[in-house]
Amino acid sequence: ETGVTQSPTHLIKTRGQQVTLRCSSQSGHNTVSWYQQALGQGPQFIFQYYREEENGRGNFPPRFSGLQFPNYSSELNVNALELDDSALYLCASSPGQNSPLHFGNGTRLTVT
Amino acid sequence: QQQVKQSPQSLIVQKGGISIINCAYENTAFDYFPWYQQFPGKGPALLIAIRPDVSEKKEGRFTISFNKSAKQFSLHIMDSQPGDSATYFCAASEDGGSNYKLTFGKGTLLTVNP
Repeated sequence: ETGVTQSPTHLIKTRGQQVTLRCSSQSGHNTVSWYQQALGQGPQFIFQYYREEENGRGNFPPRFSGLQFPNYSSELNVNALELDDSALYLCASSPGQNSPLHFGNGTRLTVT
Repeated sequence: QQQVKQSPQSLIVQKGGISIINCAYENTAFDYFPWYQQFPGKGPALLIAIRPDVSEKKEGRFTISFNKSAKQFSLHIMDSQPGDSATYFCAASEDGGSNYKLTFGKGTLLTVNP
């Protein structure tokens, strides 16, 4: 049990719509990262937040945005959904100080 | 550009055998190399990780071998068990692991037959 909870577990959206995915980390986990895992692929880094500020971003367009809240929860928002956005979205958190990332079980997003 | 190349894509091993998964990287700034295990419907879970100041790290039945000059590292699973059947991902990052931007390989689906 990693202590990282994601909701919802599954979601179906239509192309062009917007979606918000949520993550709840353990108390004290100041760093949260989001990853996209397409079917049959390894996770790809979207961005990272540290103490509510974005401090690293992968090769994803601006329509992917996020928020981190003081209560160790965070959100991933995706605007103008495209078919290729269909994937498992993983949230991972860490207390920092060279501690490893702990992943949640992800939200499976299907865009039709 | 695939910065971490993983092979094989799939692997079938008999119970009690040795499973070997290989990864190669291109970015010489990488200095933290974890391996993750993922079961269907679950997120990746950290198995074992190594930094380039050592050539080998062992934890139970799992061993990472690291070759800095060849820019390669591998995972060995000794005495493989059916419960080890999962997808395994190698990954790499910079800044000794304090940078959480992990670059993952494409994964290896391991099947251990009873």
